[in-house]
Amino acid sequence: LAKTTQPISMDSYEGQEVNITCSHNNIATNDYITWYQQFPSQGPRFIIQGYKTKVTNEVASLFIPADRKSSTLSLPRVSLSDTAVYYCLVGDYTGRRALTFGSGTRLQVQP
Amino acid sequence: DAGVTQSPTHLIKTRGQQVTLRCSPKSGHDTVSWYQQALGQGPQFIFQYYEEEERQRGNFPDRFSGHQFPNYSSELNVNALLLGDSALYLCASSLGMNTEAFFGQGTRLTVV
Repeated sequence: LAKTTQPISMDSYEGQEVNITCSHNNIATNDYITWYQQFPSQGPRFIIQGYKTKVTNEVASLFIPADRKSSTLSLPRVSLSDTAVYYCLVGDYTGRRALTFGSGTRLQVQP
Repeated sequence: DAGVTQSPTHLIKTRGQQVTLRCSPKSGHDTVSWYQQALGQGPQFIFQYYEEEERQRGNFPDRFSGHQFPNYSSELNVNALLLGDSALYLCASSLGMNTEAFFGQGTRLTVV
């Protein structure tokens, strides 16, 4: 499985756009990039998944450059409720494969 | 839809004891995976069940075992508890080859 590197923590203010970058230099051809969000004392929640270029849903956008060696999760206009840990996962998540989590990025949103 | 439900929410056990944690998957899901999350760390995969059999296993000792019932619900059993087993235990369910996993709120196990 491709190793991922993401910042340990980030700070932001309400209303700002937050971009969290994940490096995955050894990504394989069949690997997808998936982001999960976790609040304290809760299980992780799926945010977004992509393979290449850009993916957008009602929660976030995921930008993946052509070489796919990194990806950026973009959260538009964050609020206090976006304070959480964000995990970048890279793997061939087909066929019931197990998820491999790193330590994630702890995002703190200030008022 | 109740989503993934786990019980109990909190549990305190003594070293050497045994514990059973329970998980009911999201309606319609047939695959259940268990994860252990130590404080400040990401979840670590324990094992996965579908069709009532263990299909994949992470790097956990045999003290960790599980079961899946015909209604797809699952149990995680841990024998001979160690202090290091204190963690949040998470259950995730998914359907077939669908890659999106839904997590429960977890069971906080404290071993004293």
